[in-house]
Amino acid sequence: GDSVTQMEGPVTLSEEAFLTINCTYTATGYPSLFWYVQYPGEGLQLLLKATKADDKGSNKGFEATYRKETTSFHLEKGSVQVSDSAVYFCALTGQAGTALIFGKGTTLSVSS
Amino acid sequence: GAGVSQSPSNKVTEKGKDVELRCDPISGHTALYWYRQRLGQGLEFLIYFQGNSAPDKSGLPSDRFSAERTGESVSTLTIQRTQQEDSAVYLCASSPLGGAHQPQHFGDGTRLSIL
Repeated sequence: GDSVTQMEGPVTLSEEAFLTINCTYTATGYPSLFWYVQYPGEGLQLLLKATKADDKGSNKGFEATYRKETTSFHLEKGSVQVSDSAVYFCALTGQAGTALIFGKGTTLSVSS
Repeated sequence: GAGVSQSPSNKVTEKGKDVELRCDPISGHTALYWYRQRLGQGLEFLIYFQGNSAPDKSGLPSDRFSAERTGESVSTLTIQRTQQEDSAVYLCASSPLGGAHQPQHFGDGTRLSIL
């Protein structure tokens, strides 16, 4: 069945460092891809999305490109801030088309 | 405007008891989803409601789990004869329409602990 695999954390970085969180997927058809973020003490929020191959989603300085050839949707940010510390979830809409299938989440901790 | 509201925020109950969790979606959102997040795991899909269509129950883990939704408003998730493995955070999400491209808006969840 459809699935999402993302790198295990925690990821610990210094402020202004470059961030990559890897995400790969297995899916039939053409899923939509999402990154959600959960800040400490808050609910899950959509960070960015891409709905077709080669689309780039971006928000708050984060970017991810839908790569069908490598079945990947890696999250990147050029310069992280302490306020980016959170748990990041990669997700897709599977063959059924509606429910999200999530990775296990990656915890990012940024220190000043 | 108000987001997705879930209640209670925390629930502690004894094994074998029934529990009922509530979700108020964003007004006007026709699609509603329930997910479960067990400790150290990703979110697992449980059930999906879209308008007046029959719900997609394919993610419910056992017949102890059921959910209802009245029209396009409140939904309740019921767990009967709770077991310790039911301990998790139960998340509700809604979206304006169902469909693969629609982002889902999540509530803060109900943290359920089974003693």
